[in-house]
Amino acid sequence: SQKIEQNSEALNIQEGKTATLTCNYTNYSPAYLQWYRQDPGRGPVFLLLIRENEKEKRKERLKVTFDTTLKQSLFHITASQPADSATYLCALHSGGYQKVTFGIGTKLQVIP
Amino acid sequence: GAVVSQHPSRVICKSGTSVKIECRSLDFQATTMFWYRQFPKQSLMLMATSNEGSKATYEQGVEKDKFLINHASLTLSTLTVTSAHPEDSSFYICSASPLVGKGSSGANVLTFGAGSRLTVL
Repeated sequence: SQKIEQNSEALNIQEGKTATLTCNYTNYSPAYLQWYRQDPGRGPVFLLLIRENEKEKRKERLKVTFDTTLKQSLFHITASQPADSATYLCALHSGGYQKVTFGIGTKLQVIP
Repeated sequence: GAVVSQHPSRVICKSGTSVKIECRSLDFQATTMFWYRQFPKQSLMLMATSNEGSKATYEQGVEKDKFLINHASLTLSTLTVTSAHPEDSSFYICSASPLVGKGSSGANVLTFGAGSRLTVL
């Protein structure tokens, strides 16, 4: 069955450092991989999308890589700030209105 | 940008009663909306895909008679939890997407509502 793995343990980093979160998947050949941010008690908010034929995508302090051979995506936040503290979700889907499947998310805590 | 409004944000009800949650796309039309459920420290689980003007498509293991979905217009989908029980207590979140790109090859980037916290006593 399809499986998305994210480190469910919290990641604590010092303010100003680069946070790197990992998303691995098995039994899946997604056309698209997305990252969302979720704050406690709120719905997720879309951050970045990367297509299977793209290696890297950037948006301001965010960078996503997508390695379809390793079946892995890395999500980087550079110059991290306490306001970046949240849970970050990896999501996969095959395109169109096909369902989007989410990982459990990794909780990031940026320490001042 | 795309905005999805979800109401109510919190609801407490007695066991055996029914609860309706509304999901509206405010600035775009959504022929398809998605209903997710999230238990503490667990991932978002898709419950059903709501299709405007037709029956919803439910995921395996989700009881369609218990979780009634109505998508009567291009901007409104409702989820009714019927005869709620304490084990139905959860965080319910709806989402919709104006597709990125054209046609079915576009990416399904989801805009989520704020979620509805249901507590069944």
